[in-house]
Amino acid sequence: DAGVIQSPRHEVTEMGQEVTLRCKPISGHNSLFWYRQTMMRGLELLIYFNNNVPIDDSGMPEDRFSAKMPNASFSTLKIQPSEPRDSAVYFCASSFQQVYEKLFFGSGTQLSVL
Amino acid sequence: KQEVTQIPAALSVPEGENLVLNCSFTDSAIYNLQWFRQDPGKGLTSLLLIQSSQREQTSGRLNASLDKSSGRSTLYIAASQPGDSATYLCAVIKAAGNKLTFGGGTRVLVKP
Repeated sequence: DAGVIQSPRHEVTEMGQEVTLRCKPISGHNSLFWYRQTMMRGLELLIYFNNNVPIDDSGMPEDRFSAKMPNASFSTLKIQPSEPRDSAVYFCASSFQQVYEKLFFGSGTQLSVL
Repeated sequence: KQEVTQIPAALSVPEGENLVLNCSFTDSAIYNLQWFRQDPGKGLTSLLLIQSSQREQTSGRLNASLDKSSGRSTLYIAASQPGDSATYLCAVIKAAGNKLTFGGGTRVLVKP
């Protein structure tokens, strides 16, 4: 398996633009997580899905953030409109079980909002 | 609210020395604890997972211990190598939930 695949690897955009981050989890994993990493706040869980259903989105910072998982092999995290303070590395991770044994991370998307 | 702390934030050792990384957490009601490695510009790689009923886990040169009652875990890396240079993060999951709470990480440099 190729692991968790995220795209794009880098995204530079201007304030106010819409940003869409994509994730393909490991085949067979039924839980998917979106994390954000910054120097100031470390790793923060934004939202997680189990069997394509959002279970906890309490970490989503604002209504500008939304996430979808239309099927077991694809998820998106959208920011609209983007702001400079959204600049961070966004990671997607997947695991086999909801109360997971091991979490597998993608390589992340480095987002810069100018 | 669960808080996870890793001290020191950075550590530098000569090659061959054993590494000892510390992790402490405030709420002992955990389901498991994981140690991750993160290389610059990369995602996290899970190294070891210790269930709450276990006291330690070993994988090669890595050994992780867990003392739930005192809220502490230690990651030992024997005979460190320059390739061990990375940031190491610990994370705990609560018994009743699914959120992994991460520590801030310890940045390790192993000098040749």
